Amino acid sequence: DGGITQSPKYLFRKEGQNVTLSCEQNLNHDAMYWYRQDPGQGLRLIYYSQIVNDFQKGDIAEGYSVSREKKESFPLTVTSAQKNPTAFYLCASGTTGGEKLFFGSGTQLSVL
Amino acid sequence: GDSVTQMEGPVTLSEEAFLTINCTYTATGYPSLFWYVQYPGEGLQLLLKATKADDKGSNKGFEATYRKETTSFHLEKGSVQVSDSAVYFCALLKTSYDKVIFGPGTSLSVIP
Repeated sequence: DGGITQSPKYLFRKEGQNVTLSCEQNLNHDAMYWYRQDPGQGLRLIYYSQIVNDFQKGDIAEGYSVSREKKESFPLTVTSAQKNPTAFYLCASGTTGGEKLFFGSGTQLSVL
Repeated sequence: GDSVTQMEGPVTLSEEAFLTINCTYTATGYPSLFWYVQYPGEGLQLLLKATKADDKGSNKGFEATYRKETTSFHLEKGSVQVSDSAVYFCALLKTSYDKVIFGPGTSLSVIP
């Protein structure tokens, strides 16, 4: 089945630690996105990529980093510089143009 | 900048009641408009879309009409079911930069 897979479902970060969230898609989509969702708030764009080896900052990129070495994969690293990382993180993919986004089931990141 | 505003929730309705969730947008030009739905613990799914003025998107009994004169895209359903309980996000896309901008979401609870 085609789809987009995020892992892990739950992740805990210790103070000063970097953690990486995985996002893989087998939909052959060019574009991939990372969103952050806080309780009672909408989705805020962290980073997006429209082609392999290229990505752009979204609205809240500080404290995060990404890579796009393969079309299928778009991992997100939450660095120690992100002082308030507790949130639900959603990865999405779509064809260039964004007419329809497909979302993963999300990763809940919490701080220990 | 471009933005999406939705009515605040949570909205609580009895089964078979009529649903309206208001959505207005601010954007130059002619964006595409979307409604996404998020069930508990899951990612978002596209519910319906409209790409030009006066278009009506529809799916699963939900409808929304693209009103350029009022910059609105209100979501309606004639008779809600318990299974419609979810968070609903209005969103817009401007193809000039291929980013989808989401509203804050409206939580809907339908009680038997």
